[in-house]
Amino acid sequence: GESVGLHLPTLSVQEGDNSIINCAYSNSASDYFIWYKQESGKGPQFIIDIRSNMDKRQGQRVTVLLNKTVKHLSLQIAATQPGDSAVYFCAEGPISGGYNKLIFGAGTRLAVHP
Amino acid sequence: DVKVTQSSRYLVKRTGEKVFLECVQDMDHENMFWYRQDPGLGLRLIYFSYDVKMKEKGDIPEGYSVSREKKERFSLILESASTNQTSMYLCASSLPGYYGYTFGSGTRLTVV
Repeated sequence: GESVGLHLPTLSVQEGDNSIINCAYSNSASDYFIWYKQESGKGPQFIIDIRSNMDKRQGQRVTVLLNKTVKHLSLQIAATQPGDSAVYFCAEGPISGGYNKLIFGAGTRLAVHP
Repeated sequence: DVKVTQSSRYLVKRTGEKVFLECVQDMDHENMFWYRQDPGLGLRLIYFSYDVKMKEKGDIPEGYSVSREKKERFSLILESASTNQTSMYLCASSLPGYYGYTFGSGTRLTVV
């Protein structure tokens, strides 16, 4: 079936640097994409979302970019902080079906070093 | 503070036992979901429910059942626990048509 995947399983960055986490998706019909952050011992937490009619959306210190041509999604974190250390999941929302459900990628671990 | 609460943080059960994982949300959400999370596999959908007494199979329903007798509560049942069901189980809820799920903190189940 369709799936959402990630290019890198682990990303290590220095505190203060910008981080970029990438995600490739395979379903060109997907309408909605979300990034979740999961800290150790906690459930995933919503970070930011983007609809397929947009190519960029900004939040507080985070930006999501969507390139539908190559089916690629990225999460940019500015001035990465130790508190950003977590596993990040991208997910896609299929447009078909009467009830929403997300398809999640395998996740990327972000490690922030002082 | 709105939340999704899973009754147990850690659980150890024996092979063959019937296991109940409970999830309660206080946001009056129609949709509720059960996922399992395994290293390298991300989150996989077991079952979801879009209304009281309604349920639909997700991607990996085998060996599981669910119950939703009240809007705020969604239970996952392992009819006869097996070691391959050792995993982290995550409950989530959402409004209809909204993908911003709210997740619980998870239940780490170990079947021995």
